[in-house]
Amino acid sequence: RKEVEQDPGPFNVPEGATVAFNCTYSNSASQSFFWYRQDCRKEPKLLMSVYSSGNEDGRFTAQLNRASQYISLLIRDSKLSDSATYLCVVKRAGNQFYFGTGTSLTVIP
Amino acid sequence: GAVVSQHPSWVICKSGTSVKIECRSLDFQATTMFWYRQFPKQSLMLMATSNEGSKATYEQGVEKDKFLINHASLTLSTLTVTSAHPEDSSFYICSASSVMGSNQPQHFGDGTRLSIL
Repeated sequence: RKEVEQDPGPFNVPEGATVAFNCTYSNSASQSFFWYRQDCRKEPKLLMSVYSSGNEDGRFTAQLNRASQYISLLIRDSKLSDSATYLCVVKRAGNQFYFGTGTSLTVIP
Repeated sequence: GAVVSQHPSWVICKSGTSVKIECRSLDFQATTMFWYRQFPKQSLMLMATSNEGSKATYEQGVEKDKFLINHASLTLSTLTVTSAHPEDSSFYICSASSVMGSNQPQHFGDGTRLSIL
């Protein structure tokens, strides 16, 4: 079983839509959780960390469910510029990071 | 925010050449640095993890004699692709992380596009 699993998509949504991505992780000892976005032919960039109580940054909301071992990212009022691949990342002790394969999002005008 | 600088951004070389890529953490001490490779439309593939002052840990299938990694200081790691061939052409990305706090993410460099002719 993979450490981190994501639905690869692609998700094609109209501008203004709300879209949600889920990610599951296999190791309950995982400590920290992050969402990154990667644009085509660019490096991944940190979008947001995911905290146990859930956190919001503008149109983006991240949630963590430790009991079920899943992480979610909600994007409200999608913009064309949100089109990218979204990577779910899980961190364990000893600076070990595990990446999902990414979920592709295309926002359509 | 934390900045990681990677150099060079683009390399075009003849087959057989060795290519060195540098990765620097500019404003934090990077205890651990990671090297990834990514082919078009594919996921990031971790090649190796290096801790400052230690030998790198390579992922299965990655030749350590082919991809030489040095992490001699807390701000610099280098990847040398030795005797590169066309099949080594790819997007190489480094990242760095500090162990100061378990919630510290990885910070990525801009990546290096390597083309071997």
